[in-house]
Amino acid sequence: GAVVSQHPSWVICKSGTSVKIECRSLDFQATTMFWYRQFPKQSLMLMATSNEGSKATYEQGVEKDKFLINHASLTLSTLTVTSAHPEDSSFYICSAPRTSGYEQYFGPGTRLTVT
Amino acid sequence: GENVEQHPSTLSVQEGDSAVIKCTYSDSASNYFPWYKQELGKRPQLIIDIRSNVGEKKDQRIAVTLNKTAKHFSLHITETQPEDSAVYFCAASIESWGKLQFGSGTQVVVTP
Repeated sequence: GAVVSQHPSWVICKSGTSVKIECRSLDFQATTMFWYRQFPKQSLMLMATSNEGSKATYEQGVEKDKFLINHASLTLSTLTVTSAHPEDSSFYICSAPRTSGYEQYFGPGTRLTVT
Repeated sequence: GENVEQHPSTLSVQEGDSAVIKCTYSDSASNYFPWYKQELGKRPQLIIDIRSNVGEKKDQRIAVTLNKTAKHFSLHITETQPEDSAVYFCAASIESWGKLQFGSGTQVVVTP
């Protein structure tokens, strides 16, 4: 089956620093990827839609200047959390649909802890 | 936008019994309704999905029903086993490759 990877799997950073998370589709091309955030014991909340070659589309309430998304190629999307604060600590998960299929494939997630 | 509500938030069942989780959605344009199982710290795993042109779908011990008129869909797990213990999420989307709106999740605990 299709594989989506994320890097890093976990990261700890200090408040005020920036962190970049990568999402890669390993065996298929993804013109669109989705970024979700999941707080402990809560559901997955869509943050933004990453579009290859164009600007990301952010959900209401998500600060585009804080969560920078770049979809530079058909297999890679990056999410950069800028000026991270403890309240940004969360589980960040990406997903990518096959353009010709019907299923979305989730990455394994990145656990971000901001101290 | 789409709003998906899920009930119950927790469900405890005896091994061998059935478990039912219900979801409702608000956007009549939604056509794709997947169910995911998530274990702690792991990615969501698709366990079954249904599209709007189908009223029911079954895969071994798992079944999903959809009532488009009432805008609700349900997950049924029969003959539950301890390994079914996890958090289950329903979701809705306009198409299967589109953005997903998730329900709030149901913690299922199957006791031997």
